[in-house]
Amino acid sequence: DAMVIQNPRYQVTQFGKPVTLSCSQTLNHNVMYWYQQKSSQAPKLLFHYYDKDFNNEADTPDNFQSRRPNTSFCFLDIRSPGLGDAAMYLCATSRAGGSGANVLTFGAGSRLTVL
Amino acid sequence: AQTVTQSQPEMSVQEAETVTLSCTYDTSESDYYLFWYKQPPSRQMILVIRQEAYKQQNATENRFSVNFQKAAKSFSLKISDSQLGDAAMYFCAYRSADTGNQFYFGTGTSLTVIP
Repeated sequence: DAMVIQNPRYQVTQFGKPVTLSCSQTLNHNVMYWYQQKSSQAPKLLFHYYDKDFNNEADTPDNFQSRRPNTSFCFLDIRSPGLGDAAMYLCATSRAGGSGANVLTFGAGSRLTVL
Repeated sequence: AQTVTQSQPEMSVQEAETVTLSCTYDTSESDYYLFWYKQPPSRQMILVIRQEAYKQQNATENRFSVNFQKAAKSFSLKISDSQLGDAAMYFCAYRSADTGNQFYFGTGTSLTVIP
């Protein structure tokens, strides 16, 4: 089945130690998103890629970076995680245009713990 | 960013009964999409139902239907004949039809289904 896969599902890191979360998709969707979700809060959009075009939300801290080497993969890099960065990170995809456009397909999420 | 508000952090419903979850949003745009997403305890979000703002007819998907009031900027979800599997967090989301690919989410409503 076509899907969105996130790895790892659970990540524990130390304060200040860089971490990378990955997302892969077999849907061939041209838009990929990273959301941060903290307990009892709305998923917060960090950034998204439309093909190779990177779109950063204005309030996303510089500590968060992203890479999309090809259509299928997208990475979230947290350069120096702080305690406040502990959260669930959700990857999602969508197809811009055509049938089924404007619908997000989510991965299962990566839960980050910062010690 | 657009604002999406869900004023009910928690709701409960008896099995087989009907429940309505509320959502309001703030926008100056005339064309947009609204969504309800479900996030079960496994945390993978799935689409429940979608509404296009230019369509006056309320969307329905089996036991799920919406009451879309464009002038009031209100978008409620009605779940009929509630089942135990409906227990989840429900998020309301907004996407502009004209500007960008961003989806913005409300803070969610936790739905409990009582057997």
